[in-house]
Order: sequence, then structure tokens, then C-alpha cells
Amino acid sequence: DVKVTQSSRYLVKRTGEKVFLECVQDMDHENMFWYRQDPGLGLRLIYFSYDVKMKEKGDIPEGYSVSREKKERFSLILESASTNQTSMYLCASSLSGTSGKGNWDEQYFGPGTRLTVT
Amino acid sequence: QQPVQSPQAVILREGEDAVINCSSSKALYSVHWYRQKHGEAPVFLMILLKGGEQKGHEKISASFNEKKQQSSLYLTASQLSYSGTYFCGTEGRTFNDYKLSFGAGTTVTVRA
Repeated sequence: DVKVTQSSRYLVKRTGEKVFLECVQDMDHENMFWYRQDPGLGLRLIYFSYDVKMKEKGDIPEGYSVSREKKERFSLILESASTNQTSMYLCASSLSGTSGKGNWDEQYFGPGTRLTVT
Repeated sequence: QQPVQSPQAVILREGEDAVINCSSSKALYSVHWYRQKHGEAPVFLMILLKGGEQKGHEKISASFNEKKQQSSLYLTASQLSYSGTYFCGTEGRTFNDYKLSFGAGTTVTVRA
């Protein structure tokens, strides 16, 4: 079974702190994604990566950065946390789009990190 | 641009049917459907690639109308296990619009 793990289920940080959210997948997937999930807004893409050291902005990248130094690990960084970044953060991974299923293959999601910024 | 899902929520009794719609303002290459049960991670249901294509997962099926830029998810003879929030994700056709964007979700509650 594909496994995507996230470093913390719950995290409480103070405004202005630098926050690191870690995600690890064990299936050698090329693509990795970071989403935030807020009530009524669904899943919104923050950043994604299609290869080591490669990253692309999603729909809401402002206030975030990412790092992918190894294929299995994708980190989301909040340089200076703010209260409006309080949210559920979901990481996902997928194979590259070579299976005949379009550009994006089935995504496997981690359990999420509920971040509260006070 | 996020696709628009309707309805926002639906309540069913076991055995009833429901339809969830997903509409996009952009030309689509594919539509993806996921289900998220309360407190759990979203789980993949299916991907639809071709216009008019229908796929199935248990008694859940979906269609994709390219011309209308719409997809519908059909819950047939619903079971308690179908409860959850359903998300559609859409992928655009153009070079600059390939990112997968998810809708706000439709919450389905199936009651005994």
C-alpha cells in the first residue's frame, strides 16, 4: 500500500514563527503536492513538485515556500506564520502521467496536519 | 479556477440515488473524483478522460461531457458507507492550465 505520512497531526504556532510541515511518501512517486483545506473552500493547491528540486506554484502560494531535496520528501514552509494560515494542510503524491490517465494520475493523500496559528 | 460543485450538501436514505454535478468555466482534459470520510484523508474514486466517458466504482459511476465542461457523479442505491464529502478535480486542456483544481465539495449524508 502507498503510504504518505505527515510529521504532525496537530501543530500550534505563534504569529511570526517559521513553520515546517514535512511529508514523506514511500512509493517512489514523482509528483508531490501541498493543499490546504478550509470549510466551504475545498482543497486548494499551494505548491506542487514533479521532480527533485523542481517546484511550481499552485493557486494560493502566497506566504508559503517549499523544498524537495529528496524524491520521497516534500516540505512546506511558512516563513512567518499568520493567523489566516490556520488550516488543515494535506500532502499528496502521485506517479507521473504516463499511465494513460492524463497529466495527473491518482493522488494518495496523507492524514493531514491541523495547524493553528495564535 | 475552481470548478463549481452542486449541490453543496445532500441527505439520503439508504437505497436512494443522488447526482453530484461539477462544472468548469475552462475546457477540460480530465475530471477526477475523490471522497473524503469524516476525519480521514481524501481517497481516489475515478478519473474520466474522454468526453461522454463513464466510469464506475462499486455502485458509484460518473460521466464527463466535454462540450458542456461538466461531469456528474451518480450514487446509485446508496449505502451508509457512501457518506462523506465528494470532491471533483478538473484539469484544463491548455498548456498554461494543466494544474488540477478541486471544487469546494459536496457533503453526502446517508441515513438508515
